[in-house]
Amino acid sequence: DTGVSQDPRHKITKRGQNVTFRCDPISEHNRLYWYRQTLGQGPEFLTYFQNEAQLEKSRLLSDRFSAERPKGSFSTLEIQRTEQGDSAMYLCASSLLRDGRRGKTQYFGPGTRLLVL
Amino acid sequence: KNEVEQSPQNLTAQEGEFITINCSYSVGISALHWLQQHPGGGIVSLFMLSSGKKKHGRLIATINIQEKHSSLHITASHPRDSAVYICAVDSGGGADGLTFGKGTHLIIQP
Repeated sequence: DTGVSQDPRHKITKRGQNVTFRCDPISEHNRLYWYRQTLGQGPEFLTYFQNEAQLEKSRLLSDRFSAERPKGSFSTLEIQRTEQGDSAMYLCASSLLRDGRRGKTQYFGPGTRLLVL
Repeated sequence: KNEVEQSPQNLTAQEGEFITINCSYSVGISALHWLQQHPGGGIVSLFMLSSGKKKHGRLIATINIQEKHSSLHITASHPRDSAVYICAVDSGGGADGLTFGKGTHLIIQP
């Protein structure tokens, strides 16, 4: 399968624990996005990378959220000291930016569903 | 910040009916996306458009840039079309992420 993959698909944790999610984008894609989707809502943008550079992180929900893409391939999203309000679906998407053109198709992974007890 | 509104929020129709889902946004964009999300969460990109009209099989997407409005049409609807359809816009600003509508829950009954 050459699509976007995410691991784990489901995570149950206790409040206060740290969790880390992984996203593997389509191999030639240079852009990688993280979104969060709560029940009944559309996804909301969290952060994105171009290669290994994190170009926007002001939308991360709090300083408990951090993301990395150290080698410009896979990415991790970490939530420290989880709270019940962090329960949501965390989606990753990737795209290929060519020549600075805007409006790129994003390919989504299956998501990681987080439940904080 | 771009505001994206979809209508209707929920739609139930009979197999074979012509379906229209609407999306409006508040600020100029570089592109608009229509996405499909099935139960379980997976999202599939259906269309990306910045002007005019696109067609793929029984799906048609149109956009009117001046009116800041887009529609997704499904012809000869089928139960397998049942899903959540989400409109998302790329505002082309510094953040570069998409802004999503809340989605339209579509159920096609046999």
